[in-house]
Amino acid sequence: DTGVSQDPRHKITKRGQNVTFRCDPISEHNRLYWYRQTLGQGPEFLTYFQNEAQLEKSRLLSDRFSAERPKGSFSTLEIQRTEQGDSAMYLCASSLDWTPDQEQYFGPGTRLTVT
Amino acid sequence: AQTVTQSQPEMSVQEAETVTLSCTYDTSESNYYLFWYKQPPSRQMILVIRQEAYKQQNATENRFSVNFQKAAKSFSLKISDSQLGDTAMYFCALTEYGNKLVFGAGTILRVKS
Repeated sequence: DTGVSQDPRHKITKRGQNVTFRCDPISEHNRLYWYRQTLGQGPEFLTYFQNEAQLEKSRLLSDRFSAERPKGSFSTLEIQRTEQGDSAMYLCASSLDWTPDQEQYFGPGTRLTVT
Repeated sequence: AQTVTQSQPEMSVQEAETVTLSCTYDTSESNYYLFWYKQPPSRQMILVIRQEAYKQQNATENRFSVNFQKAAKSFSLKISDSQLGDTAMYFCALTEYGNKLVFGAGTILRVKS
């Protein structure tokens, strides 16, 4: 396994359209995280999964955002009715388990541009 | 609430010299983990070094070491013998229970030849 992968790497969409991003974590990793990173800033937590269960959602995750992790493998992040403020890099990370010392392995990100 | 502050937006260092990146944080927990992550230009973020708050000894990883001052809530990263490949954005991050990382705004480090 070569690491966390994300698809697509870049997405340009028009305001009001729906978009979906995919994240494939490292295969034996139980934890999966989504972060959002705007230009010049650090990543901000959006949500995380333990296997297929979504355990926490940030207040940043409005009702236009939904994330799933069916069967505890890959995850999808969907944004409905995109707005220009949604333009950002969306990062996925995974870790082996829940203990706080665990390294989170990051994917390359999906850069979303809303025009 | 957890917060992480990096007060140096940009830094530069000559190749082979030493540089220190600053980070302060706030948490109400007595045990937590601190991390430094590196994000090279157009590449994915990777872990540089981690420190458990209960451990008094500062973590080291080859040319990278930290100065962890728990009472001052300070966690600086020292890079010795800087190399061109160290050019990157560096993020300080905190986790209390392993459920999420809280990141600082980052410091852009440029290593000059």
